[in-house]
Formats: sequence, structure tokens, C-alpha cells
Amino acid sequence: KQEVTQIPAALSVPEGENLVLNCSFTDSAIYNLQWFRQDPGKGLTSLLLIQSSQREQTSGRLNASLDKSSGRSTLYIAASQPGDSATYLCASSQGGSEKLVFGKGTKLTVNP
Amino acid sequence: GAVVSQHPSRVICKSGTSVKIECRSLDFQATTMFWYRQFPKQSLMLMATSNEGSKATYEQGVEKDKFLINHASLTLSTLTVTSAHPEDSSFYICSAKQGTLLEYFGPGTRLTVL
Repeated sequence: KQEVTQIPAALSVPEGENLVLNCSFTDSAIYNLQWFRQDPGKGLTSLLLIQSSQREQTSGRLNASLDKSSGRSTLYIAASQPGDSATYLCASSQGGSEKLVFGKGTKLTVNP
Repeated sequence: GAVVSQHPSRVICKSGTSVKIECRSLDFQATTMFWYRQFPKQSLMLMATSNEGSKATYEQGVEKDKFLINHASLTLSTLTVTSAHPEDSSFYICSAKQGTLLEYFGPGTRLTVL
């Protein structure tokens, strides 16, 4: 059974800092891995999706990497802004299943 | 991008009553819809998967008689929490997929059972 862990649970940084959020998973036979953003009391916004054959994806100031052999993914946020403050969730899906398994998220606060 | 809506956004009800939550895909036909539950500071937990015109598939530990799911059309799925109790208070989120494409999430429904 896939388990997804995100560390740290919370992170507070000053504006402008580059930062890395971590996600680890127990079963490396993933189909894809996704990073989402969730604002308080809101639904999820998909940020990046990495297919199992890919090693990274980039969108603007965001870069997500995937290392299946070590069971890890990272989300790199460059030049953080207060508007980046939110909870970031990673989720994996396994081959043959369309179900997503989520981590508990990392709550990011970017201080002006 | 694709839009998924949920209604209501929040609901407060008395213990023992039933509550229906609607999930709609506004600009695409969703062959599959998912229902998740999220407790404070916890992961989203998948409750059930529903395909249009067929019975929902429930995850282990989710009572199908308590959480009734209907996926009557390619754009609408409903979740009914029957005989709700305070422990059912949670944030319920639906998502929708068209084939094997991306999964799009609704804004969520905050249920509070008094």
C-alpha cells in the first residue's frame, strides 16, 4: 500500500528566498506524481505533474523533480512571494489504478 | 482549464439529518468522479470512485449505506451523507476526470454536523 510523506509539515520563510519542499513515497512503481496547492478552506489547484518516465517538470518559478529509485520528489520554489503562502500537497498514482494517494501537505508561509 | 463546481460550499445541519452535496463538471464530460474527505491537518482520503451509470466503488472502511453516491450523468455526481453525526463533520472534495486526462478538483464543501 502506497504511503506518501511530506516533510516538513510547516515552513516559514522570508520573501525572496528559494525553498524546497520534500515528498517521499514507499512504492516506487508509480504512474505519475503531482504537486497541488491548497489555499485555506479551498479545493486543490494542480501545479505540476511528472510522468514516471520524466525526471522533472517546470512551470514559471516552480520546478518539480522525481527520483523513483529513492522514492522522492521535490518541489523547488524560486524567489518566493507572500502569494505563495498555502499548503502544498503531493500525490502519487500507481500503474493500473487511477487513484491518487496524498501526503498530509506542507504549510508554507512566506513573510513579507 | 477545466472547471469543477461543488454545491453547497458549506452546510450546517443537525445530527440525524441527511445532507446532499453536488459535484458538477462545467465544461467537460467526466467519465469518472472521485469523492474525498479531508480532516484538519490531514491528507485527502479517497472515499469512493464513481463512473457514470454504474455503482460507485467505495474504499475500505467507507460505509456505502451512509455515504450514498449517484453519478447520474456525465456532468453530475452527488454525495448524500445519511443520518449525519458530528464525527462526519469534515471537508468534502470532489474531482472529475475525462478518460485518462488530468483530475480536476472542486472547491470543496465544509460540512458541520451539530
